Formats: sequence, C-alpha cells, structure tokens
Amino acid sequence: QSVLTQPPSASGTPGQRVTISCSGSSSNIGSNTVNWYQQLPGTAPKLLIYSNNQRPSGVPDRFSGSKSGTSASLAISGLQSEDEADYYCAAWDDSLKGRVFGGGTKLTVL
Amino acid sequence: QVQLVQSGAEVKKPGASVKVSCKASGYTFTSYDINWVRQATGQGLEWMGWMNPNSGNTGYAQKFQGRVTMTRNTSISTAYMELSSLRSEDTAVYYCVNGMDVWGQGTTVTVSS
Repeated sequence: QSVLTQPPSASGTPGQRVTISCSGSSSNIGSNTVNWYQQLPGTAPKLLIYSNNQRPSGVPDRFSGSKSGTSASLAISGLQSEDEADYYCAAWDDSLKGRVFGGGTKLTVL
Repeated sequence: QVQLVQSGAEVKKPGASVKVSCKASGYTFTSYDINWVRQATGQGLEWMGWMNPNSGNTGYAQKFQGRVTMTRNTSISTAYMELSSLRSEDTAVYYCVNGMDVWGQGTTVTVSS
C-alpha cells in the first residue's frame, strides 16, 4: 500500500492528451514539492518533472506537471508510442521523515 | 557527465548480508545526498534512506531501521548500502540516486536458499 495514490493504468491513442493523478495528504504533497519519474521497461527511473512543474533539460515540453492542495497531476500531450512506460510520483513526507512514492501508473499507447 | 555506477548482481542466502556500492563521477561527490531506492519485480519504488556524503549523516525508512547501514568512502567517491538479515522479500533491484536525481543502473539482489 503506497502512501501516494495513483491509478494503476492509463491509456491513450497517439496524439491524444492523457493525465495521471497522484493523491496524497497534508504531510507530503500538501507541504512539499512533487517529482515525477518515467521508467521504461528494464531501465532505471528517469526524472521527468521536479518541483511540481519544472522540466529538466532534455525533457520535451509535451510533459507538464501541476499541483493543487494534496494532489498532483502529470499531463502528457501529443502522446507518442515511446511514452509507453511506468510513471511514478514522489514527495517528501514530514510525518514519516522520508521520501514516499506512488504505486505507479502503467501508460499504454493504443 | 554525471554518473552513478553500481556494483554487480548478488545472490545471497536468507539471513546473510549484502553490500552494494555506488561510485559517483562527473560531480563533487560530497555536494549531494545519496538516496537508496529498491524495486521488487513488477512492483513500485520503495525509498530506503539517505546519506549525506560530506558529514556521513544518515536517515533510514522505519521499515529498514536496524537492518540497513549507509556509508561512504569520500576518497573514491563511493557510497555503500548494506542490508542484513536478508529474507526472500528483499529480492529486488536496488538503486542509488543522488541529489540531482541522477540514478544508478541498479543492482539486482536475489535472496534464495
């Protein structure tokens, strides 16, 4: 049971826009920033979004993040086949004094 | 370029310990914390703890308190994570991650009798 809640799966067709939600509480998302990671099969996770909505250099602007209250979202526009991967949200939790992750969302490009 | 290179796969028996290394290059090792995250096959990511390579200070997830030890050797820019009293549920890929969110390639640890 993960501290942050994500839908287990999401899907879309090429060119479509999809969003993935991440729900937490006042001790994590409500008081700290959110990162998003993309994990392609058989590889290490890669930072996609940091500080709620910032993209590291090299990440396409098709990826965007937002946060409101105790929830965050990752949006992917202009969906491409190479976006098929697992996506994880993460935040620091002040009560647990540790980093917490969502359970991950498997994105399928139909 | 900034890189974290981890040690190779390990196979251990239940009750044993494992020590995974993480060698940093391309940046000043003592400038960024090192976190350890693990992932069982087909499962999500699980944070284990952090270490400040400069001071050696550590913070561990409650689940691993008493079983995990994170250390470093600054002369060779290498961090270590040792997990003791291994059980089958510890079978996973273990990743080191630095404060710039650069990840190592992962080390597979298999616990089997």
